[in-house]
This record gives sequence, structure tokens and C-alpha cells, in this order.
Amino acid sequence: QKEVEQNSGPLSVPEGAIASLNCTYSDRVSQSFFWYRQYSGKSPELIMSIYSNGDKEDGRFTAQLNKASQYVSLLIRDSQPSDSATYLCAVNMWGGGADGLTFGKGTHLIIQP
Amino acid sequence: GAGVSQSPSNKVTEKGKDVELRCDPISGHTALYWYRQSLGQGLEFLIYFQGNSAPDKSGLPSDRFSAERTGGSVSTLTIQRTQQEDSAVYLCASSLARRDGYGYTFGSGTRLTVV
Repeated sequence: QKEVEQNSGPLSVPEGAIASLNCTYSDRVSQSFFWYRQYSGKSPELIMSIYSNGDKEDGRFTAQLNKASQYVSLLIRDSQPSDSATYLCAVNMWGGGADGLTFGKGTHLIIQP
Repeated sequence: GAGVSQSPSNKVTEKGKDVELRCDPISGHTALYWYRQSLGQGLEFLIYFQGNSAPDKSGLPSDRFSAERTGGSVSTLTIQRTQQEDSAVYLCASSLARRDGYGYTFGSGTRLTVV
């Protein structure tokens, strides 16, 4: 059973602080990992992808991957109220996955002004 | 087109009626996916098309649901004899290829309300 687990939240972070979003996955052969942002009433938007162990930085966003621990995270520095959204973790589980990407249920992030 | 286009954006239908939802993927994207998202819930996979291969229908919740993809481009999701539990946002996504590592681009969705 393929699973991607996220804490549903809400995760409340003060403006200007670092928001840390976590995700674990069950399939050891997973190769590609993605973070999507979904504003209320909108469709998911791809914001980060990561394929290798370590950190990947893009502006205020940093994705971290640890395949040995089957763990991927997203850090948002200098959090802004506009970062308030649901963040979906998605994992590309090679090896029989019928739907390509398996999505977590998302973490609801609230940035408090 | 520049993005994934879905129509209609909103659909209200009476219980028992059939509905058709349309998705026009990004030009050149060979993989097309349909997902369903109920209020406050995660993404539920429905069906996947890759090129000219037979679609993966493993996520369709019942035989009232079907989908086609004509000419490897536009896809139509049909729900027959709609029920109230079918009310949800239906999202279409496309990508360059299955397991391509590039992630999906989602359309803006069709909000279906069955009354």
C-alpha cells in the first residue's frame, strides 16, 4: 500500500518566522518528490521538486530529502501571510504505481500577521 | 495551450442526470490524469491516460464513471446518473510523461454540485 503521510494541521506560524512542513512516504523505491501549494478554492500549483538527497533552495523555499529515512520536508523562510495555504506532498512511486504521483492529504499552513 | 483548460468551471445538475466534464491538456503532454477533491479532503485519483496506451481506470469509484481521450489530447469525464456524493471538484492534470519526474500541471477544475 503506497502512502504519503502529512500532518493535517493547522500549522500556525508568525509572520517572518520559518515554516517547516513534513512528509513521510512508504515506498523505498520512490525517485521524485514534489511540493504543491493549494489556496482555498484553487487548484494545486507545483512549487518545488527534489530528486536527490540533501537540500534544494529556490528563493524563500527549501526542500529537504532524506531517502534513507523516507522523509521529505519543505521550509519556508520569512513567512508571509500570502504563504497561508494547504501544502501537498507528492511522491512519484516507481514500481507499479498506477497513478504516477501519490499525494498526501496536505498540511494547512496559517501565517499570522 | 499555455495551461490545462477545464470546462465548465461550475456545474449544477439534478440527481440522476448525466454530466460531461472536459479537459484540454498542455500541448505536447502525453500523460493526462483526472482527480477528484471533495471539500476539505485530499486528491482522489480517478483515471490516467498515457499516449495511445489503454487507460488506467483503477481509481474510478463506480461504473457510472467513464472517461475518454480523443486523439491523444482532449479528455472527457462522464458521470452517469449522478448522485449527491458525486459533488466535488474534478481536477485534470497533464505532464510530459508518466513517471517523468516533472510533476503535474493542474487545470482550474470543475466544481460539480448535484442537487
